[in-house]
Amino acid sequence: DAKTTQPTSMDCAEGRAANLPCNHSTISGNEYVYWYRQIHSQGPQYIIHGLKNNETNEMASLIITEDRKSSTLILPHATLRDTAVYYCIVNAGNTGKLIFGQGTTLQVKP
Amino acid sequence: EPEVTQTPSHQVTQMGQEVILRCVPISNHLYFYWYRQILGQKVEFLVSFYNNEISEKSEIFDDQFSVERPDGSNFTLKIRSTKLEDSAMYFCASVPGQGARELFFGEGSRLTVL
Repeated sequence: DAKTTQPTSMDCAEGRAANLPCNHSTISGNEYVYWYRQIHSQGPQYIIHGLKNNETNEMASLIITEDRKSSTLILPHATLRDTAVYYCIVNAGNTGKLIFGQGTTLQVKP
Repeated sequence: EPEVTQTPSHQVTQMGQEVILRCVPISNHLYFYWYRQILGQKVEFLVSFYNNEISEKSEIFDDQFSVERPDGSNFTLKIRSTKLEDSAMYFCASVPGQGARELFFGEGSRLTVL
């Protein structure tokens, strides 16, 4: 599975959009981009995934560049409860074996 | 909303003791996983389980670890002889079936080995 690079930490003001970047320059054609988050020490929570098209669900939007070498997770109106570690993961198959990195610690501030 | 449930939430044990961590995956899910997270470190894949057998395991998952689904609902992780370095959060996860891409994780079981 391709490696991902994320900033270690980011801050965001409550109510503003949080834009979390991820680089995955070695991504292969059959690899999806997944985003999970982990609030404190709870179990990771799935947010969204995509292959090449932009995706949106009730939690977030995922913007994937045309060359697929990077992506951005957008939380449109961040709340204090969105404070968490956000993981960008690239994975080809549907084996469920996810390789977690260190992720980005997002701190939403009042 | 259905969820993956894990018990116990926290277990303290002495080094060398056997530990069994239990998970009840979401009903009708077919693929099951264990992950662990040592305090302050990354979430790490341990093992995947499908059709009553291990489908993939990591280097961490050595002979001291075993998994089984004894009754069609519980999914257990056994550590035969715990070591200090087994202290971690252990997360169970499940997936509905082939082609599904969202892992549903439980809240975790914290294991402390003294």
